[in-house]
Amino acid sequence: AQSVTQLDSQVPVFEEAPVELRCNYSSSVSVYLFWYVQYPNQGLQLLLKYLSGSTLVKGINGFEAEFNKSQTSFHLRKPSVHISDTAEYFCAVSWGANNLFFGTGTRLTVIP
Amino acid sequence: DAMVIQNPRYQVTQFGKPVTLSCSQTLNHNVMYWYQQKSSQAPKLLFHYYDKDFNNEADTPDNFQSRRPNTSFCFLDIRSPGLGDAAMYLCATSRDQGDNQPQHFGDGTRLSIL
Repeated sequence: AQSVTQLDSQVPVFEEAPVELRCNYSSSVSVYLFWYVQYPNQGLQLLLKYLSGSTLVKGINGFEAEFNKSQTSFHLRKPSVHISDTAEYFCAVSWGANNLFFGTGTRLTVIP
Repeated sequence: DAMVIQNPRYQVTQFGKPVTLSCSQTLNHNVMYWYQQKSSQAPKLLFHYYDKDFNNEADTPDNFQSRRPNTSFCFLDIRSPGLGDAAMYLCATSRDQGDNQPQHFGDGTRLSIL
């Protein structure tokens, strides 16, 4: 069965510290990978996507993610977080069903 | 700016009273989606339209219906809302079908059931 797993439901981190939000997927076919951010009481905003090519993908707001096929991972990273990065982050995968399948989300809380 | 707009942002209805949520887009995208997101959960796809073709997810209750009268607008109708239907409802669009198509989301409508 195919699945998307975000291992950490909550990640607290101090301001200006680095952060990594983990995402693993399980699939027997090629996938496209996305990270979305959701601020309180708002919809989802696309941070970045991996479709093909370079495995290191840069997105908006200083975020980047690396696709690792052998480890079936697509972890999101930022070298220095800001208070405004406090939000819910969703990893999503598309694998041939014309739909997005979301992970359960990671709540990032940046501590001043 | 091209956008996905959902109205209203907050909707309160009574148990069993039909309610309609609306979504409009200025992106001229072919595909429109409706998701349900309950508290602290991931969005769950209810159905989507590719142009005028309606695609219902297998586990979407019959209580949920949708209409797309034209490219720009899409509606979510809940015929008899139950307490379990209280959630954020998200509308999204994509230019076309296909796994590589990023989706653009509106800010959602938070539905409360009294």
